[in-house]
Amino acid sequence: DTEVTQTPKHLVMGMTNKKSLKCEQHMGHRAMYWYKQKAKKPPELMFVYSYEKLSINESVPSRFSPECPNSSLLNLHLHALQPEDSALYLCASSPGTSGYNEQFFGPGTRLTVL
Amino acid sequence: GQQVMQIPQYQHVQEGEDFTTYCNSSTTLSNIQWYKQRPGGHPVFLIQLVKSGEVKKQKRLTFQFGEAKKNSSLHITATQTTDVGTYFCAGPELEGSNYKLTFGKGTLLTVNP
Repeated sequence: DTEVTQTPKHLVMGMTNKKSLKCEQHMGHRAMYWYKQKAKKPPELMFVYSYEKLSINESVPSRFSPECPNSSLLNLHLHALQPEDSALYLCASSPGTSGYNEQFFGPGTRLTVL
Repeated sequence: GQQVMQIPQYQHVQEGEDFTTYCNSSTTLSNIQWYKQRPGGHPVFLIQLVKSGEVKKQKRLTFQFGEAKKNSSLHITATQTTDVGTYFCAGPELEGSNYKLTFGKGTLLTVNP
């Protein structure tokens, strides 16, 4: 299984809602990533988990809260988002974080904040 | 931090024409990776180049890594409509004890049938 799955595919939420994005991989990868992608822009790294520990936080606002319950799962908890947070949220995984590892991306969650 | 620049931003070609996108890094890279993102899709890994001056081919796609390991190119021969998408180059950057990928801004290729 060389797939990264993400749920939901689409999410519409109000600024006072709390929601969660989920990501799963069964490739035995030990690194998992959250990216944010705006239209016509490259993916923008948010968080990196290595061996289930948060290793990189790219100064992301606290309204985004990542969680890695186990080596196969990655969640992104959302609270009190702003309309400018509307974007495609991509999860990715790689065997490790050596710099030589390709990343496998999931199909993404398209988030709209009203 | 490391910067990865990519040109052109957009390229529109007639089907059958060739296409090239160029990538330049502000620092020497241990390797460079290329990804393709179809419209409405997600980035998909294409290839990794590691050695100075390396050239790799995948059917009509030719990837090159510069001698100084600071630049790279992707050339598509005789484009087809299936080549439509955004092509990103990405280089690893060390942050703490982990590497992250720094992506170029991408080149959007459109092909007129």
